[in-house]
Amino acid sequence: AQTVTQSQPEMSVQEAETVTLSCTYDTSESNYYLFWYKQPPSRQMILVIRQEAYKQQNATENRFSVNFQKAAKSFSLKISDSQLGDTAMYFCAFMKHGFSGDTNAGKSTFGDGTTLTVKP
Amino acid sequence: AAGVIQSPRHLIKEKRETATLKCYPIPRHDTVYWYQQGPGQDPQFLISFYEKMQSDKGSIPDRFSAQQFSDYHSELNMSSLELGDSALYFCASSHRGTHEQYFGPGTRLTVT
Repeated sequence: AQTVTQSQPEMSVQEAETVTLSCTYDTSESNYYLFWYKQPPSRQMILVIRQEAYKQQNATENRFSVNFQKAAKSFSLKISDSQLGDTAMYFCAFMKHGFSGDTNAGKSTFGDGTTLTVKP
Repeated sequence: AAGVIQSPRHLIKEKRETATLKCYPIPRHDTVYWYQQGPGQDPQFLISFYEKMQSDKGSIPDRFSAQQFSDYHSELNMSSLELGDSALYFCASSHRGTHEQYFGPGTRLTVT
Protein backbone atom coordinates (compact mmCIF):
# COMPACT_ATOMS: atom_id res chain seq x y z
CA ALA A 1 0.00 0.00 0.00
CA GLN A 2 1.10 3.53 -0.66
CA THR A 3 1.39 6.24 1.95
CA VAL A 4 1.70 9.97 1.46
CA THR A 5 2.99 12.26 4.19
CA GLN A 6 2.74 16.01 4.40
CA SER A 7 4.66 17.11 7.47
CA GLN A 8 3.52 20.74 7.48
CA PRO A 9 -0.08 21.08 8.69
CA GLU A 10 0.00 24.86 8.28
CA MET A 11 2.17 27.38 6.51
CA SER A 12 2.01 31.07 5.78
CA VAL A 13 3.77 33.34 3.33
CA GLN A 14 3.76 36.99 2.47
CA GLU A 15 2.20 38.03 -0.77
CA ALA A 16 4.71 38.00 -3.68
CA GLU A 17 7.14 35.75 -1.82
CA THR A 18 8.01 32.11 -2.48
CA VAL A 19 6.90 29.14 -0.41
CA THR A 20 7.67 25.42 -0.59
CA LEU A 21 5.30 22.70 0.58
CA SER A 22 6.78 19.31 1.43
CA CYS A 23 5.54 15.85 0.56
CA THR A 24 7.10 12.43 0.96
CA TYR A 25 5.64 9.11 -0.08
CA ASP A 26 6.32 5.45 0.27
CA THR A 27 5.70 2.89 -2.43
CA SER A 28 7.17 -0.24 -3.94
CA GLU A 29 5.87 0.73 -7.36
CA SER A 30 8.33 1.91 -9.99
CA ASN A 31 5.86 3.60 -12.29
CA TYR A 32 3.42 6.09 -10.86
CA TYR A 33 2.14 9.65 -10.90
CA LEU A 34 2.27 12.36 -8.29
CA PHE A 35 -0.09 15.31 -8.02
CA TRP A 36 -0.63 18.47 -6.09
CA TYR A 37 -4.24 19.55 -5.61
CA LYS A 38 -5.52 22.83 -4.28
CA GLN A 39 -8.70 22.98 -2.22
CA PRO A 40 -9.84 26.54 -1.54
CA PRO A 41 -12.60 27.40 0.95
CA SER A 42 -15.16 26.49 -1.72
CA ARG A 43 -13.92 22.88 -1.21
CA GLN A 44 -13.51 22.38 -4.97
CA MET A 45 -10.57 20.04 -5.68
CA ILE A 46 -8.36 21.68 -8.29
CA LEU A 47 -5.39 19.98 -9.95
CA VAL A 48 -2.33 22.21 -9.67
CA ILE A 49 0.43 20.11 -11.18
CA ARG A 50 1.24 16.55 -12.18
CA GLN A 51 4.51 14.62 -12.36
CA GLU A 52 5.13 11.26 -14.05
CA ALA A 53 7.65 9.20 -12.11
CA TYR A 54 9.51 8.10 -15.23
CA LYS A 55 10.28 11.70 -16.17
CA GLN A 56 13.37 13.19 -14.59
CA GLN A 57 12.45 16.73 -15.54
CA ASN A 58 10.51 18.55 -12.86
CA ALA A 59 7.03 19.68 -13.89
CA THR A 60 6.24 23.38 -14.06
CA GLU A 61 2.94 25.21 -14.44
CA ASN A 62 3.33 28.98 -14.44
CA ARG A 63 4.12 30.00 -10.84
CA PHE A 64 3.99 26.40 -9.61
CA SER A 65 6.89 23.98 -9.89
CA VAL A 66 7.90 20.76 -8.21
CA ASN A 67 11.14 19.28 -6.94
CA PHE A 68 10.79 15.56 -7.60
CA GLN A 69 13.45 13.38 -5.98
CA LYS A 70 12.53 9.82 -6.90
CA ALA A 71 15.25 8.10 -4.92
CA ALA A 72 14.35 10.07 -1.82
CA LYS A 73 10.60 9.67 -2.55
CA SER A 74 10.13 13.38 -2.14
CA PHE A 75 7.81 15.65 -4.10
CA SER A 76 7.73 19.27 -2.96
CA LEU A 77 5.70 22.10 -4.44
CA LYS A 78 7.16 25.57 -4.89
CA ILE A 79 4.82 28.50 -5.33
CA SER A 80 6.51 31.62 -6.63
CA ASP A 81 5.15 35.16 -6.41
CA SER A 82 2.44 34.03 -4.00
CA GLN A 83 -0.97 35.59 -4.47
CA LEU A 84 -3.86 36.00 -2.07
CA GLY A 85 -5.85 33.58 -4.21
CA ASP A 86 -3.33 30.85 -3.44
CA THR A 87 -4.72 30.64 0.09
CA ALA A 88 -6.08 27.10 0.31
CA MET A 89 -5.49 23.58 1.56
CA TYR A 90 -2.94 21.78 -0.61
CA PHE A 91 -2.96 18.01 -0.97
CA CYS A 92 -0.20 15.84 -2.33
CA ALA A 93 -1.48 12.66 -3.99
CA PHE A 94 -0.05 9.41 -5.36
CA MET A 95 -1.47 7.33 -8.18
CA LYS A 96 -0.15 4.00 -9.40
CA HIS A 97 0.37 3.75 -13.13
CA GLY A 98 -2.04 1.54 -14.97
CA PHE A 99 -5.16 1.64 -17.06
CA SER A 100 -8.71 2.13 -16.01
CA GLY A 101 -9.98 -1.23 -14.83
CA ASP A 102 -6.62 -2.33 -13.42
CA THR A 103 -6.83 -2.95 -9.71
CA ASN A 104 -5.27 -0.14 -7.68
CA ALA A 105 -4.50 1.90 -10.77
CA GLY A 106 -6.12 5.25 -11.09
CA LYS A 107 -7.28 5.80 -7.54
CA SER A 108 -5.44 8.50 -5.66
CA THR A 109 -3.96 8.28 -2.19
CA PHE A 110 -3.83 11.68 -0.53
CA GLY A 111 -1.67 13.19 2.18
CA ASP A 112 -3.24 14.94 5.16
CA GLY A 113 -2.91 18.33 3.52
CA THR A 114 -1.15 21.60 4.24
CA THR A 115 -3.14 24.74 4.92
CA LEU A 116 -1.42 27.65 3.20
CA THR A 117 -2.26 31.23 4.08
CA VAL A 118 -0.97 34.06 1.92
CA LYS A 119 -0.79 37.29 3.89
CA PRO A 120 -1.14 40.72 2.30
CA ALA B 1 -15.20 23.10 -21.18
CA ALA B 2 -17.63 20.67 -19.63
CA GLY B 3 -16.83 19.55 -16.11
CA VAL B 4 -17.92 16.78 -13.81
CA ILE B 5 -21.43 17.37 -12.51
CA GLN B 6 -22.62 16.16 -9.15
CA SER B 7 -26.10 16.33 -7.76
CA PRO B 8 -27.38 17.30 -5.39
CA ARG B 9 -24.80 19.77 -4.13
CA HIS B 10 -26.16 19.67 -0.61
CA LEU B 11 -28.20 17.00 1.11
CA ILE B 12 -29.55 16.77 4.61
CA LYS B 13 -30.77 13.43 5.88
CA GLU B 14 -31.68 11.93 9.22
CA LYS B 15 -30.08 8.89 10.77
CA ARG B 16 -31.17 5.59 9.27
CA GLU B 17 -32.42 7.27 6.10
CA THR B 18 -31.20 6.56 2.58
CA ALA B 19 -29.39 8.91 0.21
CA THR B 20 -28.49 8.73 -3.47
CA LEU B 21 -25.69 10.82 -4.92
CA LYS B 22 -25.29 11.24 -8.65
CA CYS B 23 -22.26 11.92 -10.78
CA TYR B 24 -22.11 12.84 -14.45
CA PRO B 25 -18.57 12.51 -15.84
CA ILE B 26 -16.97 14.68 -18.45
CA PRO B 27 -18.11 13.60 -21.94
CA ARG B 28 -16.04 10.71 -23.33
CA HIS B 29 -14.68 9.87 -19.86
CA ASP B 30 -15.25 6.21 -19.14
CA THR B 31 -14.00 5.95 -15.57
CA VAL B 32 -15.58 7.28 -12.41
CA TYR B 33 -14.12 7.44 -8.90
CA TRP B 34 -15.88 8.20 -5.63
CA TYR B 35 -14.11 9.77 -2.66
CA GLN B 36 -15.29 10.70 0.81
CA GLN B 37 -13.77 13.67 2.62
CA GLY B 38 -14.66 14.06 6.27
CA PRO B 39 -14.30 17.40 8.09
CA GLY B 40 -10.63 18.37 8.28
CA GLN B 41 -9.54 15.17 6.56
CA ASP B 42 -8.08 14.17 3.23
CA PRO B 43 -10.22 12.47 0.60
CA GLN B 44 -10.53 8.73 0.99
CA PHE B 45 -11.12 6.50 -2.01
CA LEU B 46 -14.40 4.59 -1.91
CA ILE B 47 -14.94 2.85 -5.23
CA SER B 48 -14.33 3.19 -8.95
CA PHE B 49 -15.94 2.04 -12.18
CA TYR B 50 -14.62 1.54 -15.65
CA GLU B 51 -16.92 0.83 -18.55
CA LYS B 52 -19.79 0.14 -16.16
CA MET B 53 -17.86 -2.48 -14.21
CA GLN B 54 -16.49 -2.01 -10.72
CA SER B 55 -12.73 -1.71 -11.09
CA ASP B 56 -11.54 -1.08 -7.57
CA LYS B 57 -12.89 -0.84 -4.06
CA GLY B 58 -11.57 1.06 -1.11
CA SER B 59 -12.88 1.76 2.36
CA ILE B 60 -16.53 1.73 1.40
CA PRO B 61 -19.00 0.55 4.06
CA ASP B 62 -21.26 -2.37 3.23
CA ARG B 63 -24.20 0.03 3.67
CA PHE B 64 -23.05 1.83 0.54
CA SER B 65 -23.39 0.59 -3.00
CA ALA B 66 -22.69 2.17 -6.35
CA GLN B 67 -23.00 1.53 -10.02
CA GLN B 68 -22.17 3.05 -13.36
CA PHE B 69 -24.83 3.20 -16.02
CA SER B 70 -24.78 2.83 -19.78
CA ASP B 71 -24.43 6.62 -20.22
CA TYR B 72 -21.43 6.48 -17.84
CA HIS B 73 -23.07 8.41 -15.07
CA SER B 74 -22.70 6.89 -11.64
CA GLU B 75 -24.80 6.75 -8.51
CA LEU B 76 -23.69 6.18 -4.94
CA ASN B 77 -26.45 4.73 -2.77
CA MET B 78 -26.10 5.08 0.97
CA SER B 79 -28.45 3.32 3.35
CA SER B 80 -28.93 3.30 7.14
CA LEU B 81 -27.14 6.62 7.32
CA GLU B 82 -25.06 7.34 10.40
CA LEU B 83 -23.83 10.64 11.83
CA GLY B 84 -20.32 9.68 10.77
CA ASP B 85 -21.39 9.61 7.14
CA SER B 86 -21.56 13.41 7.16
CA ALA B 87 -18.89 14.44 4.69
CA LEU B 88 -18.13 15.89 1.32
CA TYR B 89 -18.46 13.26 -1.38
CA PHE B 90 -16.42 13.82 -4.50
CA CYS B 91 -16.82 12.17 -7.83
CA ALA B 92 -13.94 12.30 -10.31
CA SER B 93 -13.73 11.11 -13.88
CA SER B 94 -10.96 10.23 -16.27
CA HIS B 95 -10.39 8.66 -19.64
CA ARG B 96 -8.58 5.34 -19.76
CA GLY B 97 -4.86 5.90 -19.73
CA THR B 98 -4.80 9.66 -19.16
CA HIS B 99 -4.35 9.44 -15.39
CA GLU B 100 -5.69 12.88 -14.84
CA GLN B 101 -8.73 12.84 -12.64
CA TYR B 102 -11.10 15.74 -12.89
CA PHE B 103 -13.05 16.30 -9.74
CA GLY B 104 -16.62 17.44 -9.47
CA PRO B 105 -17.70 20.14 -7.01
CA GLY B 106 -18.75 17.55 -4.46
CA THR B 107 -21.97 16.76 -2.62
CA ARG B 108 -22.07 17.88 0.97
CA LEU B 109 -24.04 15.32 2.98
CA THR B 110 -25.18 16.19 6.46
CA VAL B 111 -26.73 13.47 8.60
CA THR B 112 -28.67 14.70 11.64
